[in-house]
Amino acid sequence: DAGVIQSPRHEVTEMGQEVTLRCKPISGHDYLFWYRQTMMRGLELLIYFNNNVPIDDSGMPEDRFSAKMPNASFSTLKIQPSEPRDSAVYFCASSLSTAGGLIQFFGPGTRLTVL
Amino acid sequence: KNEVEQSPQNLTAQEGEFITINCSYSVGISALHWLQQHPGGGIVSLFMLSSGKKKHGRLIATINIQEKHSSLHITASHPRDSAVYICAARSGGGADGLTFGKGTHLIIQP
Repeated sequence: DAGVIQSPRHEVTEMGQEVTLRCKPISGHDYLFWYRQTMMRGLELLIYFNNNVPIDDSGMPEDRFSAKMPNASFSTLKIQPSEPRDSAVYFCASSLSTAGGLIQFFGPGTRLTVL
Repeated sequence: KNEVEQSPQNLTAQEGEFITINCSYSVGISALHWLQQHPGGGIVSLFMLSSGKKKHGRLIATINIQEKHSSLHITASHPRDSAVYICAARSGGGADGLTFGKGTHLIIQP
């Protein structure tokens, strides 16, 4: 398996522009997580899905952020409009809810820079 | 909300030394994860544990549920162990997202 795939790997945009980050989880995994990592705050959970349904979006910073999971193999995180303080590395992770537990597999991350 | 604290924040040691990284959390959890973040930024899950001890190669993770404390040990440390080690707590009974510590930046010098 290719692991969790994220695109783009790097994104540079100007303040006010719309940004869309994409994630393809590991095939068969039923949980998908979006995290953000900054120097100041470290890693933070933004939102997670179970079977394509959003379960907890309390970590989404504000209405400018939205996430969707239209099917089991694809999710997007959108920021509109983007602001410089959104600059961070965004990680997607997936896991499978087996009796063995919920080890999360992380994607390589998308490094977002908002100028 | 769970507060997750790690210590030390930075650790530099010589090759071969025994390494211990500590993690404490404020609220009862269903599982605790140890992650490794490489200098290139990639994150790898090392352990997930809810009780006792787990061992994988030179890495050992322990957890004391009563004391709300976990430790990650590295035996016979090697420069390739240099990375940021992050502990993360999962509070809920389901697959709640993780609450992360700030990480421990480990450097092993040859």
